[in-house]
Order: sequence, then C-alpha cells, then structure tokens
Amino acid sequence: KQEVTQIPAALSVPEGENLVLNCSFTDSAIYNLQWFRQDPGKGLTSLLLIQSSQREQTSGRLNASLDKSSGRSTLYIAASQPGDSATYLCAVWTSGSRLTFGEGTQLTVNP
Amino acid sequence: DTGVSQDPRHKITKRGQNVTFRCDPISEHNRLYWYRQTLGQGPEFLTYFQNEAQLEKSRLLSDRFSAERPKGSFSTLEIQRTEQGDSAMYLCASSLNSAGVFFYEQYFGPGTRLTVT
Repeated sequence: KQEVTQIPAALSVPEGENLVLNCSFTDSAIYNLQWFRQDPGKGLTSLLLIQSSQREQTSGRLNASLDKSSGRSTLYIAASQPGDSATYLCAVWTSGSRLTFGEGTQLTVNP
Repeated sequence: DTGVSQDPRHKITKRGQNVTFRCDPISEHNRLYWYRQTLGQGPEFLTYFQNEAQLEKSRLLSDRFSAERPKGSFSTLEIQRTEQGDSAMYLCASSLNSAGVFFYEQYFGPGTRLTVT
C-alpha cells in the first residue's frame, strides 16, 4: 500500500526566504507525482505535475524535483511571499486512477 | 468553462439524516473522482467514474455511501444515516482520459464541507 509522508508538517518563514518542502513515498513504482496548494476551507489547485520519466518541473518561483528510486520529491519556493501562505499537498499516482496524498505542509510566510 | 463545481458548499445535518452532494465536472471530462478530506489530513480516494460506469471504490466507501453518474456528466454522492465521523470536506475532481495518453491531470472542485451534529 502506497504511503506518502510530508515533512515538515508546518513551517513559518519571513518574507523573501527560499524554502524547501519534502515529500516521500513508499512505493517507487509511481506513474507521476503532483504538488497541490490548498487555501483554508478551499479546494485544491494543481501547482506542478512531474511524470515518472521526468526529474523536475518548474513554474515561476516554484521548482519540483523527483527521485523515483529513493522515493522522494521536493518543492522549492523561491523568494517566498505572504500570498504563498497555504497548505501544500504532495500526491502520487501508482495504480488505478487514484491519487494518494500526503498530510500536507502548512506554510506561513510572515511579512 | 469555469472548472469543476460542487453544490452545496456547506451542509450541516443532524446525525441519522441523509445528505446528497452534487458535482459538475469540466465539460467533456470523462472521468470523475470523489475524495474525502478530514481536518488536518490529505484527501483520501473514495471512488471514480469513467463516463457513467463506476470503475473503482475504496474500502472507505461503506454501504451507507452511494455515488452515481447517470448520464456521464454530473455526479451525486449520497450518505445515508449520517454519523458524526462523516464530518469532512468532500472533494470532486475530473479529468479527460484520451486514448494513448497515460496520465490525465485531475482538476479539483471547491469541495462540500459536511458537518454532522
């Protein structure tokens, strides 16, 4: 059974800092990995999707990397802003059509 | 297209009552998924449809839960005899599954927050 773990559970940083969120998964036979953002009480917004054959994806100030063999992914956020405050969720697709999610990292960026 | 929509956004019900939620996927998306998210946790898969066929159900989907997608467009999720443990955010997602494309990105709706008192 696939299990996804995210570290840290919560993170508070001052504005302007670069930061890294970590995601690990137990079954390396994944098809892809996706990072989402969730604002309080809202649905999920997809940030980046990395297919299993890829090593990284970039979108603006966000960069996600994937190391399938070690079962790890990182989300790098450059020059953080207060608007980046949200919960960040990592999800993997292994079989069938279900995404398996981690518990998320709650990020607070202080002005 | 405005994306995946869900109705209602919030629902408060008393224990033992039945509730029904609706999800309208992105038009022409042939796959529709339901997830449940409890406070402080990531979403957990419940079930998914390919057009009108329900192809997979999680063990989380007890006999009190039933989902339908009668015409392959919108879907409903019904919970009978609600329990306090059913309190959660119910998320719907949709994707377009095309022949020859192995992965299809899931787009999520805003969710329905259920509170059972």
